[in-house]
Amino acid sequence: GAGVSQSPSNKVTEKGKDVELRCDPISGHTALYWYRQSLGQGLEFLIYFQGNSAPDKSGLPSDRFSAERTGGSVSTLTIQRTQQEDSAVYLCASGASQTGVGYTFGSGTRLTVV
Amino acid sequence: KQEVTQIPAALSVPEGENLVLNCSFTDSAIYNLQWFRQDPGKGLTSLLLIQSSQREQTSGRLNASLDKSSGRSTLYIAASQPGDSATYLCAVRAEGGKLIFGQGTELSVKP
Repeated sequence: GAGVSQSPSNKVTEKGKDVELRCDPISGHTALYWYRQSLGQGLEFLIYFQGNSAPDKSGLPSDRFSAERTGGSVSTLTIQRTQQEDSAVYLCASGASQTGVGYTFGSGTRLTVV
Repeated sequence: KQEVTQIPAALSVPEGENLVLNCSFTDSAIYNLQWFRQDPGKGLTSLLLIQSSQREQTSGRLNASLDKSSGRSTLYIAASQPGDSATYLCAVRAEGGKLIFGQGTELSVKP
């Protein structure tokens, strides 16, 4: 598609359940980011994929969080045993390897843990 | 370690006023700088992208400048409108492609 697509747009889950968030980047974009934004807060970096390089996982807040990117395209962010503090908007962005192209963000997934 | 700072954190102006948002970064080794807009509860919309070799970019009432040597960028909004009310974020693309964000400036334009 023309833009970055994220699904679902909204997710309400019970504490302790696992959730999967999906990101479809722009075709051909080699870079993919996941960010988290809690209510009233700035963007918190989670994980960065660039081509075939090992992902930069330095932003993942705990071992309950993991992400993968299959075939260099679609990415899934998985949160296991969700906690209420995981409630936030999860944003995905993709970009080309050429620095002349900026990053494009999806509309995000709003996760609410009850 | 690259750090990006935006000043002010919040700004309220009357409609029609020209305004400037500031962004500074600590490491001048950047590939580009991007300004985004975020409306409440929404994702980020890219406004302007300035390459490290460029001094400014313009789009409509928006003009962004970049002074890489001093680590500064400004976003100028001319003739502000209530529809410009949003949070404005700047981000630098550092070596390795990593995108580093400032905390944003929350702009409110009063009718």
